Amino acid sequence: NAGVTQTPKFQVLKTGQSMTLQCAQDMNHNSMYWYRQDPGMGLRLIYYSASEGTTDKGEVPNGYNVSRLNKREFSLRLESAAPSQTSVYFCASSEASSTDTQYFGPGTRLTVL
Amino acid sequence: GEDVEQSLFLSVREGDSSVINCTYTDSSSTYLYWYKQEPGAGLQLLTYIFSNMDMKQDQRLTVLLNKKDKHLSLRIADTQTGDSAIYFCAEGPNTGFQKLVFGTGTRLLVSP
Repeated sequence: NAGVTQTPKFQVLKTGQSMTLQCAQDMNHNSMYWYRQDPGMGLRLIYYSASEGTTDKGEVPNGYNVSRLNKREFSLRLESAAPSQTSVYFCASSEASSTDTQYFGPGTRLTVL
Repeated sequence: GEDVEQSLFLSVREGDSSVINCTYTDSSSTYLYWYKQEPGAGLQLLTYIFSNMDMKQDQRLTVLLNKKDKHLSLRIADTQTGDSAIYFCAEGPNTGFQKLVFGTGTRLLVSP
């Protein structure tokens, strides 16, 4: 039981490049989330998926897209990376709603030059 | 919108008690959480409290909630060097699909 896994752990992009961050959970959770963590700003919700087949915008969705590929996987795509997207990205999952415990992955550290 | 505030830094000596404070603005919050983040890792849920409770104790952790002042605190008794981490307060609103709102985090440094 690995919990929530994320790939890659580290990534460096040039401005304008695209990439997809992968997230998978093996806890049969319905809900999944993508956050970004920036110094002095805590975690901010980018997108979430309340259940398989649905996705919704969070607090800071601009510049990102998501796909809930199946119940296990929730990916985050940057179509044209910008330096402002340099951050640490965390994926999380919970059983039903976000009042249930959210389990976090180890994070992806992304630098955009 | 909702806002959650924490002080950025706390330094204590090993064996002392640590108190990390948090204020929030959404009076309809149902659940309030404390998460711990160790270096290079994701967040781990430490404890949570329902808004109709004043206090919750779990081993070395004590959570106090003052709903009137919208103030939440986490007390760690007999703080150890392994408690050094960033601690996040988060609130969960009351209705519908509840997205957590996190504070900025308090970095706790425990010195020997």
